[in-house]
Amino acid sequence: AQTVTQSQPEMSVQEAETVTLSCTYDTSESDYYLFWYKQPPSRQMILVIRQEAYKQQNATENRFSVNFQKAAKSFSLKISDSQLGDAAMYFCAYRTASNSGYALNFGKGTSLLVTP
Amino acid sequence: DAGITQSPRHKVTETGTPVTLRCHQTENHRYMYWYRQDPGHGLRLIHYSYGVKDTDKGEVSDGYSVSRSKTEDFLLTLESATSSQTSVYFCAISPLRQGKRYNEQFFGPGTRLTVL
Repeated sequence: AQTVTQSQPEMSVQEAETVTLSCTYDTSESDYYLFWYKQPPSRQMILVIRQEAYKQQNATENRFSVNFQKAAKSFSLKISDSQLGDAAMYFCAYRTASNSGYALNFGKGTSLLVTP
Repeated sequence: DAGITQSPRHKVTETGTPVTLRCHQTENHRYMYWYRQDPGHGLRLIHYSYGVKDTDKGEVSDGYSVSRSKTEDFLLTLESATSSQTSVYFCAISPLRQGKRYNEQFFGPGTRLTVL
Protein backbone atom coordinates (compact mmCIF):
# COMPACT_ATOMS: atom_id res chain seq x y z
CA ALA A 1 0.00 0.00 0.00
CA GLN A 2 1.13 3.48 -0.75
CA THR A 3 2.05 5.62 2.25
CA VAL A 4 1.66 9.36 2.56
CA THR A 5 3.75 11.28 5.07
CA GLN A 6 3.14 14.75 6.39
CA SER A 7 6.10 15.51 8.60
CA GLN A 8 4.77 18.77 10.08
CA PRO A 9 2.00 18.12 12.64
CA GLU A 10 1.59 21.89 13.15
CA MET A 11 2.55 25.01 11.26
CA SER A 12 2.01 28.68 11.95
CA VAL A 13 1.91 31.65 9.58
CA GLN A 14 1.16 35.33 9.91
CA GLU A 15 -1.66 36.83 7.96
CA ALA A 16 -0.57 37.92 4.45
CA GLU A 17 2.57 35.79 4.60
CA THR A 18 3.37 32.61 2.66
CA VAL A 19 3.56 29.13 4.11
CA THR A 20 4.52 25.77 2.65
CA LEU A 21 3.14 22.45 3.88
CA SER A 22 5.16 19.33 3.12
CA CYS A 23 4.00 15.96 1.84
CA THR A 24 5.97 12.96 0.66
CA TYR A 25 4.64 9.66 -0.58
CA ASP A 26 5.90 6.22 -1.36
CA THR A 27 4.84 4.45 -4.54
CA SER A 28 6.22 2.24 -7.28
CA GLU A 29 3.66 3.46 -9.79
CA SER A 30 4.26 6.02 -12.50
CA ASP A 31 0.68 7.20 -12.98
CA TYR A 32 -1.29 8.52 -10.02
CA TYR A 33 -3.06 11.54 -8.60
CA LEU A 34 -2.30 13.75 -5.63
CA PHE A 35 -4.64 15.99 -3.71
CA TRP A 36 -4.67 18.49 -0.89
CA TYR A 37 -7.79 18.71 1.25
CA LYS A 38 -8.62 21.35 3.84
CA GLN A 39 -10.62 20.59 6.97
CA PRO A 40 -11.71 23.71 8.90
CA PRO A 41 -13.21 23.51 12.39
CA SER A 42 -16.58 22.82 10.77
CA ARG A 43 -15.11 19.37 9.97
CA GLN A 44 -16.10 19.53 6.31
CA MET A 45 -13.46 18.11 3.95
CA ILE A 46 -12.82 20.57 1.13
CA LEU A 47 -10.75 19.81 -1.96
CA VAL A 48 -8.09 22.50 -2.36
CA ILE A 49 -6.00 21.37 -5.30
CA ARG A 50 -5.20 18.32 -7.42
CA GLN A 51 -2.22 17.17 -9.47
CA GLU A 52 -1.84 14.42 -12.06
CA ALA A 53 1.51 12.68 -11.95
CA TYR A 54 1.96 12.67 -15.72
CA LYS A 55 1.67 16.46 -15.84
CA GLN A 56 4.94 18.22 -15.18
CA GLN A 57 3.31 21.59 -14.68
CA ASN A 58 2.53 22.41 -11.08
CA ALA A 59 -1.15 22.95 -10.31
CA THR A 60 -2.36 26.35 -9.14
CA GLU A 61 -5.70 27.45 -7.72
CA ASN A 62 -5.75 31.14 -6.84
CA ARG A 63 -3.55 31.57 -3.73
CA PHE A 64 -2.81 27.83 -3.54
CA SER A 65 -0.09 26.17 -5.56
CA VAL A 66 1.88 22.97 -5.38
CA ASN A 67 5.49 22.04 -5.89
CA PHE A 68 5.36 18.56 -7.41
CA GLN A 69 8.70 16.80 -7.53
CA LYS A 70 7.97 13.37 -9.02
CA ALA A 71 11.47 11.93 -8.71
CA ALA A 72 11.66 12.96 -5.08
CA LYS A 73 8.04 11.85 -4.47
CA SER A 74 7.28 15.19 -2.92
CA PHE A 75 4.07 17.22 -3.17
CA SER A 76 4.14 20.40 -1.10
CA LEU A 77 1.36 22.98 -0.84
CA LYS A 78 2.14 26.68 -0.87
CA ILE A 79 -0.41 29.14 0.46
CA SER A 80 0.28 32.72 -0.51
CA ASP A 81 -1.15 35.84 1.15
CA SER A 82 -2.46 33.73 4.04
CA GLN A 83 -5.84 34.65 5.41
CA LEU A 84 -7.48 33.92 8.76
CA GLY A 85 -9.89 31.63 6.95
CA ASP A 86 -7.01 29.41 5.87
CA ALA A 87 -6.64 28.15 9.44
CA ALA A 88 -7.50 24.47 9.24
CA MET A 89 -6.19 20.95 9.12
CA TYR A 90 -4.64 20.14 5.75
CA PHE A 91 -4.44 16.61 4.41
CA CYS A 92 -2.35 15.33 1.55
CA ALA A 93 -3.84 12.35 -0.32
CA TYR A 94 -2.71 9.91 -2.98
CA ARG A 95 -4.72 7.86 -5.43
CA THR A 96 -3.48 5.26 -7.87
CA ALA A 97 -4.48 5.64 -11.52
CA SER A 98 -5.39 1.98 -11.74
CA ASN A 99 -8.91 0.90 -10.99
CA SER A 100 -8.59 -0.31 -7.45
CA GLY A 101 -11.70 1.37 -6.19
CA TYR A 102 -10.31 4.89 -6.58
CA ALA A 103 -9.89 5.17 -2.81
CA LEU A 104 -7.61 7.81 -1.34
CA ASN A 105 -4.64 7.24 0.96
CA PHE A 106 -4.31 10.13 3.36
CA GLY A 107 -1.46 11.55 5.36
CA LYS A 108 -2.01 12.30 9.04
CA GLY A 109 -2.50 15.98 8.46
CA THR A 110 -0.90 19.33 9.27
CA SER A 111 -2.69 21.80 11.51
CA LEU A 112 -2.23 25.34 10.18
CA LEU A 113 -2.58 28.29 12.54
CA VAL A 114 -2.92 31.77 11.04
CA THR A 115 -2.08 34.67 13.33
CA PRO A 116 -3.16 38.28 12.78
CA ASP B 1 -21.88 20.78 -2.64
CA ALA B 2 -21.94 17.24 -4.05
CA GLY B 3 -25.38 16.45 -2.58
CA ILE B 4 -24.10 14.14 0.14
CA THR B 5 -25.86 13.86 3.46
CA GLN B 6 -25.07 11.69 6.45
CA SER B 7 -27.34 10.63 9.26
CA PRO B 8 -27.23 10.84 12.14
CA ARG B 9 -24.72 13.66 12.52
CA HIS B 10 -24.01 12.77 16.13
CA LYS B 11 -24.64 9.58 18.05
CA VAL B 12 -23.78 8.28 21.49
CA THR B 13 -24.25 4.59 22.09
CA GLU B 14 -23.15 1.87 24.47
CA THR B 15 -20.68 -0.92 23.95
CA GLY B 16 -22.27 -3.98 22.39
CA THR B 17 -25.16 -2.23 20.68
CA PRO B 18 -25.62 -2.26 16.90
CA VAL B 19 -25.26 1.03 15.05
CA THR B 20 -26.07 1.94 11.45
CA LEU B 21 -24.87 5.09 9.76
CA ARG B 22 -26.44 6.24 6.53
CA CYS B 23 -24.93 8.06 3.60
CA HIS B 24 -27.25 9.47 0.97
CA GLN B 25 -26.31 11.06 -2.35
CA THR B 26 -28.54 12.74 -4.90
CA GLU B 27 -26.41 12.52 -8.06
CA ASN B 28 -26.31 8.75 -8.82
CA HIS B 29 -22.56 8.40 -8.48
CA ARG B 30 -21.38 4.84 -8.75
CA TYR B 31 -18.50 4.98 -6.27
CA MET B 32 -19.12 5.60 -2.57
CA TYR B 33 -16.80 5.28 0.40
CA TRP B 34 -16.73 5.15 4.17
CA TYR B 35 -13.72 6.53 6.04
CA ARG B 36 -13.03 7.02 9.70
CA GLN B 37 -10.99 9.89 11.10
CA ASP B 38 -9.04 9.59 14.33
CA PRO B 39 -6.48 11.96 15.84
CA GLY B 40 -3.00 11.13 14.58
CA HIS B 41 -4.28 8.89 11.79
CA GLY B 42 -5.82 11.08 9.15
CA LEU B 43 -8.65 9.39 7.26
CA ARG B 44 -8.63 5.64 6.75
CA LEU B 45 -10.80 3.66 4.38
CA ILE B 46 -13.29 1.25 5.94
CA HIS B 47 -15.29 -0.02 2.94
CA TYR B 48 -16.23 1.20 -0.47
CA SER B 49 -18.86 0.43 -3.09
CA TYR B 50 -18.64 0.47 -6.86
CA GLY B 51 -22.30 -0.17 -7.53
CA VAL B 52 -25.50 -1.59 -6.13
CA LYS B 53 -24.65 -4.71 -4.13
CA ASP B 54 -20.95 -4.33 -5.08
CA THR B 55 -18.71 -3.57 -2.13
CA ASP B 56 -15.15 -4.21 -1.03
CA LYS B 57 -13.07 -3.89 2.11
CA GLY B 58 -10.67 -1.14 2.97
CA GLU B 59 -7.75 -0.81 5.33
CA VAL B 60 -9.74 -0.90 8.60
CA SER B 61 -12.79 -3.04 7.83
CA ASP B 62 -12.77 -5.32 10.88
CA GLY B 63 -15.93 -4.85 12.94
CA TYR B 64 -17.80 -3.09 10.13
CA SER B 65 -20.17 -4.21 7.41
CA VAL B 66 -21.79 -2.24 4.60
CA SER B 67 -24.74 -2.53 2.30
CA ARG B 68 -25.86 -0.79 -0.84
CA SER B 69 -29.29 -1.84 -2.02
CA LYS B 70 -29.83 1.28 -4.15
CA THR B 71 -27.50 3.73 -5.82
CA GLU B 72 -28.23 6.65 -3.56
CA ASP B 73 -27.72 4.99 -0.16
CA PHE B 74 -24.63 3.42 1.37
CA LEU B 75 -25.04 2.06 4.90
CA LEU B 76 -22.28 1.38 7.41
CA THR B 77 -23.12 -1.00 10.26
CA LEU B 78 -21.28 -1.68 13.46
CA GLU B 79 -22.76 -5.02 14.50
CA SER B 80 -21.58 -4.69 18.10
CA ALA B 81 -20.03 -1.32 18.80
CA THR B 82 -16.80 -1.10 20.79
CA SER B 83 -15.06 1.89 22.36
CA SER B 84 -12.30 1.63 19.72
CA GLN B 85 -14.93 2.54 17.13
CA THR B 86 -15.44 5.96 18.67
CA SER B 87 -14.54 8.17 15.76
CA VAL B 88 -15.74 10.61 13.15
CA TYR B 89 -17.11 8.81 10.10
CA PHE B 90 -17.08 10.34 6.65
CA CYS B 91 -18.89 9.22 3.58
CA ALA B 92 -17.49 10.22 0.18
CA ILE B 93 -18.36 9.90 -3.47
CA SER B 94 -16.08 9.83 -6.50
CA PRO B 95 -17.61 11.25 -9.64
CA LEU B 96 -16.27 9.59 -12.79
CA ARG B 97 -16.50 12.32 -15.37
CA GLN B 98 -15.95 11.43 -19.01
CA GLY B 99 -12.72 12.94 -20.26
CA LYS B 100 -11.54 13.82 -16.77
CA ARG B 101 -9.04 11.63 -15.02
CA TYR B 102 -8.90 13.32 -11.66
CA ASN B 103 -11.37 11.13 -9.84
CA GLU B 104 -11.29 13.35 -6.80
CA GLN B 105 -13.60 12.61 -3.92
CA PHE B 106 -16.21 14.79 -2.31
CA PHE B 107 -17.15 14.27 1.29
CA GLY B 108 -20.26 14.37 3.40
CA PRO B 109 -20.37 16.43 6.61
CA GLY B 110 -19.34 13.53 8.87
CA THR B 111 -20.91 11.67 11.77
CA ARG B 112 -19.40 11.84 15.22
CA LEU B 113 -19.94 8.51 16.97
CA THR B 114 -19.16 7.98 20.62
CA VAL B 115 -19.24 4.46 22.06
CA LEU B 116 -19.35 4.42 25.87
